[in-house]
Amino acid sequence: NAGVTQTPKFRVLKTGQSMTLLCAQDMNHEYMYWYRQDPGMGLRLIHYSVGEGTTAKGEVPDGYNVSRLKKQNFLLGLESAAPSQTSVYFCATSIMLNTEAFFGQGTRLTVV
Amino acid sequence: GENVEQHPSTLSVQEGDSAVIKCTYSDSASNYFPWYKQELGKRPQLIIDIRSNVGEKKDQRIAVTLNKTAKHFSLHITETQPEDSAVYFCAARADSSNTGKLIFGQGTTLQVKP
Repeated sequence: NAGVTQTPKFRVLKTGQSMTLLCAQDMNHEYMYWYRQDPGMGLRLIHYSVGEGTTAKGEVPDGYNVSRLKKQNFLLGLESAAPSQTSVYFCATSIMLNTEAFFGQGTRLTVV
Repeated sequence: GENVEQHPSTLSVQEGDSAVIKCTYSDSASNYFPWYKQELGKRPQLIIDIRSNVGEKKDQRIAVTLNKTAKHFSLHITETQPEDSAVYFCAARADSSNTGKLIFGQGTTLQVKP
C-alpha cells in the first residue's frame, strides 16, 4: 500500500521546456489536488479534481494544465516552463469532503 | 476570494513552554479546519482537525479552538518538545460547492529550544 506517490521527485527544466508530473494513489480516493509550496506563501492550490474525468481551477492555475483520465492518477502539465514555476509541488488526495488530505512526498522543480 | 491568514510566521519557544498559532479565515461558509505539520524535507501530515459544530478539540498535548463568530481558530501545543520543531499550516475548507478544496495559511516555523 504505497498511498500517494509522485513522479519524479526532482527535475531541472530549461525555460520553455514542457513536462508532466504524475500523482498516483492506491487508496481509491475521489478527490485529488495539486499544490505548489513556496517560501513564506504556504501551500497554494493549482488545480483539483472531484472525480475521474473532472478537473477545476484552484488559486494559481495559470501556466498549468491537468488531467484525470483514471481515478487513481492525476497529471499536472507545464507546457512552457518559466522560472516563476520553480517550486515544490505536492499532490494530495482525500476520500470525501471534510476528511484528512494525504500528501505525496513532493516534487522539487527548478526552471533555469 | 477565500483567504486564510496565519500568524506568527516564526515562533521560538523554550522546551516545556506552550506555543500558540492563530489563523483567521474570510469565508463564513467554511466548516472544516485542519492543521498540518511539515518536518524539514517531508510531506505535510495532519495532526488535528476541527469541524464547525465543535468549539474545541484536544489530542494529548495538542488542542485546537474555533471561534466562528470572529472567524478565527488556533492551535495550542503544551509542554513543547524539540521534536515539535517544524512548519505548521492551518487550512480551511472555504468552498460551499462541495469541491473539498482546502485553502492553506502561509505557515508558521516553530523552533523548540532544548
